[in-house]
Amino acid sequence: ETGVTQSPTHLIKTRGQQVTLRCSSQSGHNTVSWYQQALGQGPQFIFQYYREEENGRGNFPPRFSGLQFPNYSSELNVNALELDDSALYLCASSGDRGKYNEQFFGPGTRLTVL
Amino acid sequence: AQSVTQLDSHVSVSEGTPVLLRCNYSSSYSPSLFWYVQHPNKGLQLLLKYTSAATLVKGINGFEAEFKKSETSFHLTKPSAHMSDAAEYFCVVGAGNNRKLIWGLGTSLAVNP
Repeated sequence: ETGVTQSPTHLIKTRGQQVTLRCSSQSGHNTVSWYQQALGQGPQFIFQYYREEENGRGNFPPRFSGLQFPNYSSELNVNALELDDSALYLCASSGDRGKYNEQFFGPGTRLTVL
Repeated sequence: AQSVTQLDSHVSVSEGTPVLLRCNYSSSYSPSLFWYVQHPNKGLQLLLKYTSAATLVKGINGFEAEFKKSETSFHLTKPSAHMSDAAEYFCVVGAGNNRKLIWGLGTSLAVNP
């Protein structure tokens, strides 16, 4: 069974640029959630995708957007990067959108915005 | 609104002694509660979850937590700490139809030899 994978592991961008982060969900999972974890903080929910549709969103501006593909992998896109976007971005997959089943996390992508 | 407060940002114990990581929650609904662990440079791993079944929940690696509604608490305990338990621990609450999970700020556990 393949776990959740994320790419890239590290990324450095400058203010104003755009970035795309990728996540492959665990085999058999149809739900992907994205989180932002700033240094010294707990993860903050960005949004969740279920069967290719957004299924809940946290308090993040529209420049944070996402996609889920038919194979349930997902992308997180961030436009007009700001310094405060520097964080660890975590992807988690789960098998059911409506219940708080266990979410399986990937190792994260460390984004640094200069 | 849901919220979670981890009462200690850092906890230090000696190997072989008990561990207590404290968490209080606030929820308008009957909550689901979780503890996750994050080891350095590794992904988050679920330790245990409470979803309105037994109030004493047993998890992996010898950890357990007790849901106390009257105290709105969900403290994490382990009878005997191992060096490998050194990590960041997060208490998480989810409730109602809101699909967001609300995370605490984390407790850093250090285990001294």
